Amino acid sequence: GQNIDQPTEMTATEGAIVQINCTYQTSGFNGLFWYQQHAGEAPTFLSYNVLDGLEEKGRFSSFLSRSKGYSYLLLKELQMKDSASYLCAFYILTGGGNKLTFGTGTQLKVEL
Amino acid sequence: DAGITQSPRYKITETGRQVTLMCHQTWSHSYMFWYRQDLGHGLRLIYYSAAADITDKGEVPDGYVVSRSKTENFPLTLESATRSQTSVYFCASSESPYRTPGGGYTFGSGTRLTVV
Repeated sequence: GQNIDQPTEMTATEGAIVQINCTYQTSGFNGLFWYQQHAGEAPTFLSYNVLDGLEEKGRFSSFLSRSKGYSYLLLKELQMKDSASYLCAFYILTGGGNKLTFGTGTQLKVEL
Repeated sequence: DAGITQSPRYKITETGRQVTLMCHQTWSHSYMFWYRQDLGHGLRLIYYSAAADITDKGEVPDGYVVSRSKTENFPLTLESATRSQTSVYFCASSESPYRTPGGGYTFGSGTRLTVV
């Protein structure tokens, strides 16, 4: 079967670094997405990993280990505006299309 | 305007009524998707479409109908709304994943539907 897990909530301090973990189990896998979602808004794309290793994009980095079914999103120099839900999703390319399976999201609260 | 738009933004309907949620994209993306988002469940796929006139069920299709007569539009219809369909609905589109890694998945702003 398919399963994807991430912590429900995390709290961190402004200016600090936080790591949000995601583990998944799936028989098919073509890549992993991270999205940010502010309350009442649509998910917005943060990163996409298809190969093992670290992808860095400004204050955000995402890591993937396909053999371990594990990814993390690293947020540096946290700002108050980073308070949001962070969604992990794995991506499967099938004959009928390309589908994302999402975790339930990690609600990050950034405090002063 | 370019992008992906959903309408209405908010909708309240009564149990048993038919309601249609609209989704329009201007990128000519091949693939379009409908997700619902509920507390504790995250985003779950309802239906998806690989091209005009090609649709398929996702994880939670019961009670929903879709059509795609034109590439740019992908309406979602609740044939007889139930309270359990109260949710936030997101439409998404992506281009062919063979052209762009990950397909450039992009979401619309969402429709918040309440069934009373």
